[in-house]
Order: sequence, then C-alpha cells, then structure tokens
Amino acid sequence: QVQLQESGPGLVKPSETLSLTCAVSGYSISSGYYWGWIRQPPGKGLEWIGNIYHSGTTYYNPSLESRVTISVDTSKNQFSLKLSSVTASDTAVYYCARRDAKDLWAFDIWGQGTMVTVSS
Amino acid sequence: DIVMTQTPLSSPVTLGQPASISCRSSQSLVHSDGNTYLSWLQQRPGQPPRLLIYKISNRFSGVPDRFSGSGAGTDFTLKISRVEAEDVGVYYCMQETQFPYSFGQGTKLEIK
Repeated sequence: QVQLQESGPGLVKPSETLSLTCAVSGYSISSGYYWGWIRQPPGKGLEWIGNIYHSGTTYYNPSLESRVTISVDTSKNQFSLKLSSVTASDTAVYYCARRDAKDLWAFDIWGQGTMVTVSS
Repeated sequence: DIVMTQTPLSSPVTLGQPASISCRSSQSLVHSDGNTYLSWLQQRPGQPPRLLIYKISNRFSGVPDRFSGSGAGTDFTLKISRVEAEDVGVYYCMQETQFPYSFGQGTKLEIK
C-alpha cells in the first residue's frame, strides 16, 4: 500500500525558507508518476503549488514560482518542497500527493498534511 | 489561468436524499489529447482530500457507486444519489487540463 508522509518544521520565521519533505513508502519514486505539493490555509480552499516527475522535471504555480523549488531524492525515495521568503500568508497545511500519469491523471494518494505556521 | 466556480457553497441535505454540486470552468477543460482532466475530491473534517472522481465521470477505487460525475466542456456536476452521514465534508472540483492546476472554492455538504 502506497503511503506518503510529510515532515518538517511546524514554525518558520518570516523571510526565512520553509522546507518540507514527503517520504514515500510502498512504491519506488523512480518507477514513475508525478509527485506534487498542495496547500490549504486555515479555513480556506486548496492551492496547487507544483509537481515533479521522477526524472526531475518540474511544474510550478506561476503565483509561487519565484520562491518555490521542488526536488526529488530517489535514493531516499522522497521529494521535497522549499519555499523562500515566507510571510504570514504562507501559513497553511501542506499536503504532498501522488499524481497518476498512466490512466487516472489525477492526485490519487495524499499524505495526511503538515501544518506550517509563519510567525516570529 | 482557469477559474473554477462551484455552486452552491453550502448544501444542507436530508439523510437519504440526493445532493448535487455544480462546477463551472472559465474555459473549456478539453485537453489537446482529447481528454478532460476534471476531478472531484472529498475532504472530511480534519482529513486530507480524497479522490472521488477523475476525468469527469470515473469513480476512483473504493468510492461508493452513489457518487457520480458528469458534464463536458465547462460545466460539470457531482451527484450523490442518497446522502449518508459519512458524506459530510467539503467537496472540491479540480482541473488538471492546463497549468496552473486550479480548484473550485469548495462546497460544504452538511446534514439538515
């Protein structure tokens, strides 16, 4: 059974860089699929941040592109999110998810999410 | 960017009765490959989103058959034939036809 688990600091200071990791179990990242990050501010809706293919090809939301880096580490079977120069508006639950790229072409498996608060 | 608009934003429903949620996109979601990448997600309270429907009308594995999706082009609908207590939560439509991917605002389904 494929599982995704986010990890990282729950508190980040304004202007610093938010760094999160998504550990994948039950499936080898290098075998395929896209891997993505989505966030949800408290009490609000969902926002797509970006995707990475197992080869390293990335796709970012233009609204965040200047501050976002998504990378993959196939040796550790995990992928990561870095968001620089954070402000209070980056406070959100951050989800990692797998996007099927063979049949469904949708985010079929989601992590539980991790809450990140931006505050001094 | 494609804007996704859901109606209603809140839907009080009686147990056992049907429910319907509409999702409209600001432009056609038909991809150049001929597919339409419109999904429906359910988010129960305190839980991550869960895929219900992909490519307009395909139920994801394990999703009860009381959930169905339909539509084409810019207008899409999620229907629940008979609402059960476990269906309470927020429902989102999502388009993955064009970057950046985008979500509807969410529709809160609650029991009367």
